[in-house]
Amino acid sequence: QVQLVQSGAEVRKPGASVKVSCKASGYTFSDYYIHWVRQAPGQGLEWMGWINPNGGATHYAQKLQGRVAMTRDTSINTAYMEINRLTSDDTALYFCARGKRWLQIPTCDYWGQGALVTVSS
Amino acid sequence: QSALTQPASVSGSPGQSITISCTGTSSDVGGYNFVSWYQQHPGKAPKLMIYDVSNRPSGVSNRFSGSKSANTASLTISGLQAEDEADYYCSSFTSSSTGVFGGGTKVTVL
Repeated sequence: QVQLVQSGAEVRKPGASVKVSCKASGYTFSDYYIHWVRQAPGQGLEWMGWINPNGGATHYAQKLQGRVAMTRDTSINTAYMEINRLTSDDTALYFCARGKRWLQIPTCDYWGQGALVTVSS
Repeated sequence: QSALTQPASVSGSPGQSITISCTGTSSDVGGYNFVSWYQQHPGKAPKLMIYDVSNRPSGVSNRFSGSKSANTASLTISGLQAEDEADYYCSSFTSSSTGVFGGGTKVTVL
């Protein structure tokens, strides 16, 4: 069965960086885009960007460009999302999700359990 | 990219039907048939309920249906049940090849 398992909760100070992992299983990792979505406490969903595991192409939300990087390691079927220059506004639950096959359309049928990132001095 | 517009809350009694709207622009909802709807219970990951405007993934109840007219998409839940109480989010593909979500709608079963 399809599963996305994310890394655990992280606490960082303002100005630091954090990298969240997302290990996929149960399907051909390279065939499906991975999207990253975050949710601040008590707030709605925010689309962050996608990565095509086949080749590594990425596309980010404009507000995050320059601060976020999405990568993947196809040898271990794992996607990563790193944000630098963290502020308190980045405190959120970060989800990875499987998108469409071969297309960058943000229709996500399987989701990770979420990784809580807390930014606090 | 501005968030899509959803009502903050919608409520209904068990057995009734409710509809949640999701308004965007011709650069997102109106321009593509790639509107999705997600259900999220507290503390859980979102669950895909509708994709490509009106398609249901395997395992999703046929009480959930989707439609679109111009720049507004809609999710209808018929035969409302207690388990339907949750937050619902629409999303769309955009002309910038990005995704965008609505602000979310809290559904309350009275």
